[in-house]
Amino acid sequence: EAQVTQNPRYLITVTGKKLTVTCSQNMNHEYMSWYRQDPGLGLRQIYYSMNVEVTDKGDVPEGYKVSRKEKRNFPLILESPSPNQTSLYFCASSLDSFPGPEQFFGPGTRLTVL
Amino acid sequence: AQSVTQLGSHVSVSEGALVLLRCNYSSSVPPYLFWYVQYPNQGLQLLLKYTTGATLVKGINGFEAEFKKSETSFHLTKPSAHMSDAAEYFCAVSSYNNNDMRFGAGTRLTVKP
Repeated sequence: EAQVTQNPRYLITVTGKKLTVTCSQNMNHEYMSWYRQDPGLGLRQIYYSMNVEVTDKGDVPEGYKVSRKEKRNFPLILESPSPNQTSLYFCASSLDSFPGPEQFFGPGTRLTVL
Repeated sequence: AQSVTQLGSHVSVSEGALVLLRCNYSSSVPPYLFWYVQYPNQGLQLLLKYTTGATLVKGINGFEAEFKKSETSFHLTKPSAHMSDAAEYFCAVSSYNNNDMRFGAGTRLTVKP
């Protein structure tokens, strides 16, 4: 089944404890991105990648890192999480090297930082 | 830069009534426009999209939207609401060879029996 998977789906952690949220797609898509969703703000892009080894900042990159060593994987790294990073995170992928005409979204990861 | 404005963070309708969710966009190039739906505790599901061609776009679950360039709008409609339509709806804009997709703040739809 063609899909974007994320792990974990739920995570509660404490301030400063490094964590990684994994994202994988099995559709051979070029473009991958990370968003965070907060009430009243919709989805905001954190980072995106147009291809392997090519990543760039989105609108809210502070406090996050990413890497794209393989085409299928795009992990999101929080080196020192803080409470303001408590959010719902979505990974997405697209066939071409940009998000249009369609992005496929993962199921989301709900992160709580205490 | 592209942007999306969704008018109304909450919309409430009665079962069987018309659903109208409003979306206005800003784009200096021909836009791709999208409506996504998010059911409670789930990810985003594409309802419909406009890229080129026919301006009236039909999607899943009886929803449709019309691209009106002169009004920079892409409102979502459904003639008769079902209880199962209760969810949050997001409008989004992108374009060819553009590196990001911009989302609106979302509209939560409530359907009353």
